[in-house]
Amino acid sequence: GESVGLHLPTLSVQEGDNSIINCAYSNSASDYFIWYKQESGKGPQFIIDIRSNMDKRQGQRVTVLLNKTVKHLSLQIAATQPGDSAVYFCAERGKGYNKLIFGAGTRLAVHP
Amino acid sequence: DAGVTQSPTHLIKTRGQQVTLRCSPISGHKSVSWYQQVLGQGPQFIFQYYEKEERGRGNFPDRFSARQFPNYSSELNVNALLLGDSALYLCASSSNTPGESRPLHFGNGTRLTVT
Repeated sequence: GESVGLHLPTLSVQEGDNSIINCAYSNSASDYFIWYKQESGKGPQFIIDIRSNMDKRQGQRVTVLLNKTVKHLSLQIAATQPGDSAVYFCAERGKGYNKLIFGAGTRLAVHP
Repeated sequence: DAGVTQSPTHLIKTRGQQVTLRCSPISGHKSVSWYQQVLGQGPQFIFQYYEKEERGRGNFPDRFSARQFPNYSSELNVNALLLGDSALYLCASSSNTPGESRPLHFGNGTRLTVT
C-alpha cells in the first residue's frame, strides 16, 4: 500500500515499552481534540478524543493528556505492540467550527 | 455494520479532466466531510455536509464541489484537474449535529493520480 508520512518525525520504541506521542495545537479556542492512527493504504482510524473541559482521558491501553496552558496534547500508549506501528495524527476543532485541523503526524515504529 | 465506504479506491486522470468521487457514510450518520491528504501530510478539510446542506468549506478553489443526497451519501467533484490535485481523498462521517463533539470516522480513501 501507499506509504503515509514518508518524512515525518519517527518515534522508535521496543515492544512492551510505553510510548508517548506529542502534539502542539494552534488555536487556543479549540474545544475538541482527537487522536487518529493511520496505517499504510488506509484512512485515519479513531483512537480517542477529549473535550477542552477535561485534562485527561483514558481508553484501552491509551491515555490522552491535554495541557491548555501551553496548547499541548499527548497520546500515551501502554505496552506498545507491533500492531501499533503507524502514523499518528492529532486533530483539533475550533469552537464554532465544523472542521478538524490535523497536525503533521508522527510515525511510531515498534521493534521486537 | 459497514464503515465508511468510498469508491473508486484508485483513479488515474489526465490534466484538465473532471473526476467524481463517491462516499457512503456509516448507517445513521447524517454528517459527511471530505478531506484531501497529500503524501507526507495530515488531511486537509475540503467540505462538510449535514442534512444535505453545506456547513463548512475549506480553502480550496471553486473547481472543487460536493453534494449530499437524501440517503446521506455524498459525491466530491473536481473539475479541470491539475497535477497538484494528486492526493488521497478521504470521506468521513459522524453522528453529530453541527457543533456537537463526536469523532469523525474515515473511509480508506480514493487515491487520485493526475498525469
